[in-house]
Amino acid sequence: NAGVMQNPRHLVRRRGQEARLRCSPMKGHSHVYWYRQLPEEGLKFMVYLQKENIIDESGMPKERFSAEFPKEGPSILRIQQVVRGDSAAYFCASSPREHQNTEAFFGQGTRLTVV
Amino acid sequence: AQKVTQAQTEISVVEKEDVTLDCVYETRDTTYYLFWYKQPPSGELVFLIRRNSFDEQNEISGRYSWNFQKSTSSFNFTITASQVVDSAVYFCALIPASGGSYIPTFGRGTSLIVHP
Repeated sequence: NAGVMQNPRHLVRRRGQEARLRCSPMKGHSHVYWYRQLPEEGLKFMVYLQKENIIDESGMPKERFSAEFPKEGPSILRIQQVVRGDSAAYFCASSPREHQNTEAFFGQGTRLTVV
Repeated sequence: AQKVTQAQTEISVVEKEDVTLDCVYETRDTTYYLFWYKQPPSGELVFLIRRNSFDEQNEISGRYSWNFQKSTSSFNFTITASQVVDSAVYFCALIPASGGSYIPTFGRGTSLIVHP
């Protein structure tokens, strides 16, 4: 029963480097959502993607952050020129139906530490 | 705009005590979904329950029960006879479903510590 797979589980980057976070949705799911969890806070929505399309990126910072979900392969959340404030847990969820996050299932998260 | 408030930052109980985690929400949507998730120390998010706004029946699942009160915009979660394994951070979340936007809003979470 392969759930949502995220890798790496832990990622350490120096300030200024790039971070790439991967998310493979559950089998049969074509919708992916990315969230960020800052220390001792709830999850903040970042972006919602369907295969090859960004549906809603209203929660994504305008600079340095980008996301994609290609036809083949995992969804990628990319953070360029990381800063200490980017240190957080990044969660990915997938769901089988459009605009229905009601059955989203979460991955185990990637913990990004910027040193 | 939606808002989910979990006023209890941390709750500490002794094993076998009952504990209730509060969740109060605000939304203008007439249709919405409410969720509870558990985040154990290992960090993953575990889905516990989803409730539709038009279904106010309370639900019980083993030692877990949920009390949905639309009149007070609350969706509280009770653990009966708590166990050490219940120690985790619990998040309440809301997803609006009638305005075309399905962006979820999470509360800040309640950290539950169950002592043996």
